[in-house]
Amino acid sequence: DIVMTQSPDSLAVSLGERATINCKSSQSILYSSNNKNDLAWYQQKPGQPPKLLIYWASTRESGVPDRFSGSGSGTDFTLTISSLQAEDVAVYYCQQYYNDPFTFGPGTKVDIK
Amino acid sequence: QVQLVESGGGVVQPGRSLRLSCAASGFTFSSYAMHWVRQAPGKGLEWVAVISYDGSNKYYADSVKGRFILSRDDSKNTLSLQMNSLRSEDTAVYYCGRDLSGAGNYWGQGTLVTVSS
Repeated sequence: DIVMTQSPDSLAVSLGERATINCKSSQSILYSSNNKNDLAWYQQKPGQPPKLLIYWASTRESGVPDRFSGSGSGTDFTLTISSLQAEDVAVYYCQQYYNDPFTFGPGTKVDIK
Repeated sequence: QVQLVESGGGVVQPGRSLRLSCAASGFTFSSYAMHWVRQAPGKGLEWVAVISYDGSNKYYADSVKGRFILSRDDSKNTLSLQMNSLRSEDTAVYYCGRDLSGAGNYWGQGTLVTVSS
């Protein structure tokens, strides 16, 4: 199984500042046939289902603000919130869908400093 | 608009069975693969299973393989998860989701399953 790790476990960022979350997979999740990384990022707020932010590592889901961006390839990925807003307080998860089981990372909690 | 509504959760004793359903509307259900993920109280997300758009392929997490069975009824726009031999560690909120290239881009509000004697 592909193991997903995230860092940090939690971070606190001032409003308007940048937040950066890292995700690492235990093996490459770059699909060679289309040169896409099978990596998604989700946001989850308390009592709510997950919300897809990014798929294919860097493609923003429809309706997601452009302050959210994803980058990386192979085994190392990053979710960046360019200017943190109050409504961005949540837990963020990465997930690989390269191989079943489609494993999630443990999550990173983002708070306001 | 896309809507997914889970049902069937509740309290069940260890070793017993439970069947979850997910009613889909607002899209052509038969064109999409569908996922289940779960979240134990206070814990992170765990992917459970996926079924292809035509039902021909099903994949399961190791933790539920051999105990859970995923199926779909395209005539009723319904996804089902038959959960057998339930364990305390299966206690979680279960979410169904519509597939987008392997990820899930629409999710229901979830149904709580509690396995306890």
